[in-house]
Amino acid sequence: DVVMTQSPLSLPVTLGQPASISCRSSQSLVYSDGNTYLYWFQQRPGRSPRRLISKVSNRESGVPDRFSGSGSGTDFILKISRVEAEDVGVYYCMQGTHWPYTFGQGTKLDIK
Amino acid sequence: EVQLVESGGGLVQPGGSLRLSCTGSGFTFSDYWMSWVRQLPGRGLEWVANIRHDGGQKNYADSVKGRFTISRDNPKNSLYLQMNSLRAEDTAIYYCCIGRGYSDWGQGTLVTVSS
Repeated sequence: DVVMTQSPLSLPVTLGQPASISCRSSQSLVYSDGNTYLYWFQQRPGRSPRRLISKVSNRESGVPDRFSGSGSGTDFILKISRVEAEDVGVYYCMQGTHWPYTFGQGTKLDIK
Repeated sequence: EVQLVESGGGLVQPGGSLRLSCTGSGFTFSDYWMSWVRQLPGRGLEWVANIRHDGGQKNYADSVKGRFTISRDNPKNSLYLQMNSLRAEDTAIYYCCIGRGYSDWGQGTLVTVSS
């Protein structure tokens, strides 16, 4: 199975400051159709996960533009330009290129 | 508005069975692959099973293969997960999700396997 490794696992951030989460895969996530099926999810405390970004950099409808995704091949990043209180939670990357689809361990973001 | 509502979770003894259900609304259920994803206590997320829009293809994680069966009833906008031979390590919140990229999630249903 493809192993997804996130860092850091814990991310304390000051309100208004930027935050960045890294996700590395054990194999390239480029699919035969040329797409890279790398997703980012946010799970707020006590809530279900919510998809933020699909195919590396495409924000879902309603996701604030302070969230952005980038990367290629095996290295990906989720950036939050200015952290707000509602961003507290756990963030997961997930690969949808190789069966079985696998998630990273999660990065817990909280406010300093 | 897309909605997914799971039900059927509960406490069951090891070796027992449960059937989870998920009803979808706000989208054309029969157009989409559907998935079950679980969240182990205090831990991360794990894909369990998925099923093609017409029910003609089903995939399972190795950890549940031979014990769990995914199915759907498109006229009822419903997805199911029959779980047999349950083990303590199946204890988790089970989420119903749209597609293989999990674009939308239900609120989850808790399954606890314990004697």
